[in-house]
Amino acid sequence: EDKVVQSPLSLVVHEGDTVTLNCSYEVTNFRSLLWYKQEKKAPTFLFMLTSSGIEKKSGRLSSILDKKELSSILNITATQTGDSAIYLCAVEETTSGSRLTFGEGTQLTVNP
Amino acid sequence: KAGVTQTPRYLIKTRGQQVTLSCSPISGHRSVSWYQQTPGQGLQFLFEYFSETQRNKGNFPGRFSGRQFSNSRSEMNVSTLELGDSALYLCASSLTGISNGYTFGSGTRLTVV
Repeated sequence: EDKVVQSPLSLVVHEGDTVTLNCSYEVTNFRSLLWYKQEKKAPTFLFMLTSSGIEKKSGRLSSILDKKELSSILNITATQTGDSAIYLCAVEETTSGSRLTFGEGTQLTVNP
Repeated sequence: KAGVTQTPRYLIKTRGQQVTLSCSPISGHRSVSWYQQTPGQGLQFLFEYFSETQRNKGNFPGRFSGRQFSNSRSEMNVSTLELGDSALYLCASSLTGISNGYTFGSGTRLTVV
């Protein structure tokens, strides 16, 4: 069965810290990996990584895909209290159409 | 540009009843996917509709069904509600549904009592 595992499940840091969130996957026909941020209800899109684009960056956030290790990391530098949220990793396969398989998420809490 | 609209936002139903949830995708998007989110199971894929056809289905019982209209709006129906159906139901809108990115709505919080 396809699997997406995120670690850690929860993380508490202080403002200004740098955090690294991990996502590993075991899927048969990988197409892309997506990161979402969920604060209240609607997950908001952060990055999509494919074999043709293995590193993405947006402001203080960046993500790298390691296709050899079947994993991805999401880095957040100079964290702010507004970064507190659940970060979700999802994988899309070539054979499953538009189905996304999600990990359990990482609950990040940034304290002032 | 309007986002993905889900209605209602909250719903309380009794066991055995049925419920219908609605999702209006971003204008021009033809793919609508539905997910169930619970604390224990995380986000799980229910089904996806593209151009009024169900294109993909997750591992949920037949009590969960859906449809899509010609304007791409989608509805999801759950019949004979069980306590375990209490969850946040999210829909995701996409241009074609494959590698175009998915925009989620704010969800419908369903509580079954």
